[in-house]
Amino acid sequence: EADIYQTPRYLVIGTGKKITLECSQTMGHDKMYWYQQDPGMELHLIHYSYGVNSTEKGDLSSESTVSRIRTEHFPLTLESARPSHTSQYLCASSDWTGAANEKLFFGSGTQLSVL
Amino acid sequence: AQRVTQPEKLLSVFKGAPVELKCNYSYSGSPELFWYVQYSRQRLQLLLRHISRESIKGFTADLNKGETSFHLKKPFAQEEDSAMYYCALFGYNKLIFGAGTRLAVHP
Repeated sequence: EADIYQTPRYLVIGTGKKITLECSQTMGHDKMYWYQQDPGMELHLIHYSYGVNSTEKGDLSSESTVSRIRTEHFPLTLESARPSHTSQYLCASSDWTGAANEKLFFGSGTQLSVL
Repeated sequence: AQRVTQPEKLLSVFKGAPVELKCNYSYSGSPELFWYVQYSRQRLQLLLRHISRESIKGFTADLNKGETSFHLKKPFAQEEDSAMYYCALFGYNKLIFGAGTRLAVHP
């Protein structure tokens, strides 16, 4: 079944650890996004990609990095996690048929807690 | 820069009452606007987009360029409408969201 998957669902780690949040989609979409969301706050765009080998930074300054080596895979990496990185991270994809029809499909999210 | 503002964090109504969730935006170009919804324990999903001029689950939204608004309306709220609603704007090749409004519909 076509879907977008995020793993892990929850992650608790110590300061200084390197982590990778996984996002994969089987929808055949070219465009993918990463958003960061704190409780009760707006979703902040941190990275997006138009397709393979394309990565762009979003509006929110982030210490994370992303890669897009395969169409279906868009992992997000934190080289050295800090408590300020504690947040929910949402991955999304779209088939990008034009701005007016931009429809994002979201994953279930990863709740990251850095101690 | 583009920005989406949802002034209400919480909107609480009784079943059968009209609902209006407010959304204001700032964007220098021609905006493409959307409403997304997140029901309890479900993923964020698209509710409607202004280009379609559609009514989804009884909700409609009209783009008012003069007031830079895209308010979401429903004439008679149902308990199953209780959810988190996000207004979103597509501009400069990316989709940005407001902070969201939690709608609580009481029996």
